[in-house]
Amino acid sequence: EAQVTQNPRYLITVTGKKLTVTCSQNMNHEYMSWYRQDPGLGLRQIYYSMNVEVTDKGDVPEGYKVSRKEKRNFPLILESPSPNQTSLYFCASSLLMRDPGNEQFFGPGTRLTVL
Amino acid sequence: AQKVTQAQTEISVVEKEDVTLDCVYETRDTTYYLFWYKQPPSGELVFLIRRNSFDEQNEISGRYSWNFQKSTSSFNFTITASQVVDSAVYFCAPLRMDSSYKLIFGSGTRLLVRP
Repeated sequence: EAQVTQNPRYLITVTGKKLTVTCSQNMNHEYMSWYRQDPGLGLRQIYYSMNVEVTDKGDVPEGYKVSRKEKRNFPLILESPSPNQTSLYFCASSLLMRDPGNEQFFGPGTRLTVL
Repeated sequence: AQKVTQAQTEISVVEKEDVTLDCVYETRDTTYYLFWYKQPPSGELVFLIRRNSFDEQNEISGRYSWNFQKSTSSFNFTITASQVVDSAVYFCAPLRMDSSYKLIFGSGTRLLVRP
């Protein structure tokens, strides 16, 4: 089944404790992206990647890192999480090179709480 | 810059009523794409439709229909004979036509269908 998976789905952590949210897709998509969703603010892009070893900042990259060592994986790293990073996070992927308007497939979301 | 306005924050209808969700977008691109996504209470993002700016034909998929009016920059979504399972937040999202290829999400419209 074609899908984007994220782990963990739920995480409660404390300020300053490094964490990684994994994202993996099995559709051979070259484009992957991370968003965060906050009440009243909609979804905002954190980072995106056009292909392996190619990543770039989105609208709200502060406090986050990403890597794209393999085409299928695009982990989101919070080196020192803070309470303002409490949010719902979504990973997305798409086959943009063929058609920029191709559907962006979203993962199920990761609800992160930083105490 | 691209922008989307979903003026209806919340809509409440009784089951079997028809309901239209409005979407007005702004873009300076001559070629662009528009998407609708659904976010049910479980939290995942479900792709509904995409439209490119070349194609002004209206689309129908079962109880769902979309009316794209380029002249008024609107891309409205109608649910016919609404059902309780249609209760969700609906997002209209233009695609940013630069290297980020990010979806521009607004705050969405929360639809509540009462039995």
